[in-house]
Amino acid sequence: QLQLQESGPGLVKPSETLSLTCSVSGDSINSDYYYWGWIRQSPGKGLEWIGSIHYNGRSYYNPSLKSRVTMSVDTSKNKFSLKLTSVTAADTAVYYCARLPFRGYCSSTSCHFDFWGQGTLVTVSS
Amino acid sequence: QTVVTQEPSFSVSPGGTVTVTCGLDSGSVSTTYYPSWYQQTPGQAPRTLIYNTDTRSSGVPDRFSGSILGNKAALTITGAQAHDESDYYCVLYMGSGIWVFGGGTRLAVL
Repeated sequence: QLQLQESGPGLVKPSETLSLTCSVSGDSINSDYYYWGWIRQSPGKGLEWIGSIHYNGRSYYNPSLKSRVTMSVDTSKNKFSLKLTSVTAADTAVYYCARLPFRGYCSSTSCHFDFWGQGTLVTVSS
Repeated sequence: QTVVTQEPSFSVSPGGTVTVTCGLDSGSVSTTYYPSWYQQTPGQAPRTLIYNTDTRSSGVPDRFSGSILGNKAALTITGAQAHDESDYYCVLYMGSGIWVFGGGTRLAVL
C-alpha cells in the first residue's frame, strides 16, 4: 500500500527557508506515470496547490509562489522535497504531499491527487 | 490568477440530497478541466472522492456522484449521513501543469 510521509522542522523563523521532505513507500518514485505534489492549508483556510515534480526533475509551480519555491527529487532515497524561501507568517500551514497521476497531459485516469500524506504543521514565528 | 468558486457552506437533512458546485470567476467549467473532489474532516488529510468529473475513487460509496451542471462541476450526495459532515473541495486543471483548488464547502448534516 502506498504511503507518503512528510517530515521537516515544525518551526521556521520569518525570512528563513522552509524545507520539507516527503518519503514515499510502497511504490517507486521512478514512474513515468506520476508527478509528486505539495499542497498546503493555512489554519482554518482552504487547500492551496504549491507545485508538482516528476522524477526526471520536470516541475510546475503555483504562479503566486513560483519565485520562492523549489522542488527536487531524490530517486535513490525514494523521496521528494520542497523549499520555500523568505517565509512569513502567511506561510504558516499544514503541508501535505500527494501523488498525482499525470504525464504532462490529462486523461480519464489522471489529473487528480490520488494518495495523500497525513500532513505536517509548519509554523513561521520568531 | 483564476478563482475557483464554491459555496462556503451548505446544510442537508439526514437522508437528504445535496449538490455542491465548483465554478470559475470567469468562464465555464467543462470536463476539460478534469474536476476532482475531495472530502476532509477536521485534523485529517483530504480523501479523494471523484476524479475526471464523474469517476468515483476506489471505495467511495455510490451515494457520491460527480457531474457537470450548467457551467459548473457538481458533487451530489444522496442519502446524506451524519458522517458526511465534512469540508468538500474541488480542484480544476488549468492546463500547463497548473491546478487550482476551490475555497471549499463546509457541509452540515442536521
